[in-house]
Amino acid sequence: EIVLTQSPATLSLSPGERATLSCRPSQSISRYLAWYQQKPGQAPRLLIYDASNRATGIPVRFSGSGSGTDFTLTISSLEPEDFAVYYCQQRSNWPRVTFGQGTRLEIK
Amino acid sequence: QVQLVESGGGVVQPGRSLRLSCAASGFTFSRYPIHWVRQAPGKGLEWVAVIANDGNDKHHADSVKGRFTISRDNSKNTMYLQMNSLRPEDTAVYYCARDLVVASAAYYFDYWGQGTLVTVSS
Repeated sequence: EIVLTQSPATLSLSPGERATLSCRPSQSISRYLAWYQQKPGQAPRLLIYDASNRATGIPVRFSGSGSGTDFTLTISSLEPEDFAVYYCQQRSNWPRVTFGQGTRLEIK
Repeated sequence: QVQLVESGGGVVQPGRSLRLSCAASGFTFSRYPIHWVRQAPGKGLEWVAVIANDGNDKHHADSVKGRFTISRDNSKNTMYLQMNSLRPEDTAVYYCARDLVVASAAYYFDYWGQGTLVTVSS
């Protein structure tokens, strides 16, 4: 099983600041990584797939980068609605897809 | 607009069975693979199963293999998850989610239902 380690567990920032979230797979997954946002009581929302492709309707302030064993989700300037939990997910060895444990982005 | 609506959750005793449904609308259901993803209370996400757009190919996570079975009825725009021999560790919100890619499963999930809670407890 490919383990995804997300860091930090919690990130405290203010609106307008830049957020950088990390996801590190236990083995190389090429670029087969997605990012999701989940707010309390809601289903996850796809933000990024294949490491850097924004999903339909996702604002340009969200960007993804990386390959192999090191990936980053960047939110260039935080809006109030961006405070949520973020998960990464790999599909490299489907059907054994796995998710990271999540990063909670909270208002400072 | 794309909609996925789960139903069938509830409280069930260990060892018993439950069948979840996922009703789809707003897109051509028969063209997309569909997945089940679950989330235990206060925990992260776990992929459970996928079914191909035509229903001919299915995969289940090791944690549910032999106990859960995914199926679909394209004439009813509905997908199902038959859950047998339920265990307390199966307690979770179960989401159905559409695959990002038509016909061929990409294992990325672009639309999700609101989820249905399954609680396995005596």
